[in-house]
Amino acid sequence: GESVGLHLPTLSVQEGDNSIINCAYSNSASDYFIWYKQESGKGPQFIIDIRSNMDKRQGQRVTVLLNKTVKHLSLQIAATQPGDSAVYFCAENQRGKLIFGQGTELSVKP
Amino acid sequence: NAGVTQTPKFRILKIGQSMTLQCTQDMNHNYMYWYRQDPGMGLKLIYYSVGAGITDKGEVPNGYNVSRSTTEDFPLRLELAAPSQTSVYFCASGRQGAEAFFGQGTRLTVV
Repeated sequence: GESVGLHLPTLSVQEGDNSIINCAYSNSASDYFIWYKQESGKGPQFIIDIRSNMDKRQGQRVTVLLNKTVKHLSLQIAATQPGDSAVYFCAENQRGKLIFGQGTELSVKP
Repeated sequence: NAGVTQTPKFRILKIGQSMTLQCTQDMNHNYMYWYRQDPGMGLKLIYYSVGAGITDKGEVPNGYNVSRSTTEDFPLRLELAAPSQTSVYFCASGRQGAEAFFGQGTRLTVV
């Protein structure tokens, strides 16, 4: 079946530390993955994406890693800031059908 | 640059009433999506469309209907509102193989 799930529902980090948010997916036919950030009362916002023919992609302070062997996706945030506090979702795109995982709430302590 | 616009932002419905949630996008995207998000939960796909005239069921389609007569618009119809449909509804649009852009959501309460 199709499912995207997260290992950790909540994550608390100290300001300045690195954060790692994990995601497991089960559909090996998925060819595109996206990380979204959702702040309270708002719609999800795109952070970074990765295609299945890649294993790593870097953005500004964020890196996404894809391990197709174990069907695992992770989002790394460097030097986490208070403004990074939000819920983070991974999403799996299979021929246009975009399926979201459960989400991880990231809390950044000053 | 409007992006994805949803109306209304808030709505209270009585059980059994009907309503249409409007969604329009001005980015000429071929893909459009409707999600619902219950408190503290993730987004569940209700319906999606890969182009005008084409719609398909998502994870939780029961109790909803959609149409896609134009590229810009993707309305979501609730025919007989039930308390279980109390949720925040998000519309999104995107291109094939690219990220989806989301609207600000419609908060629906069914009493």
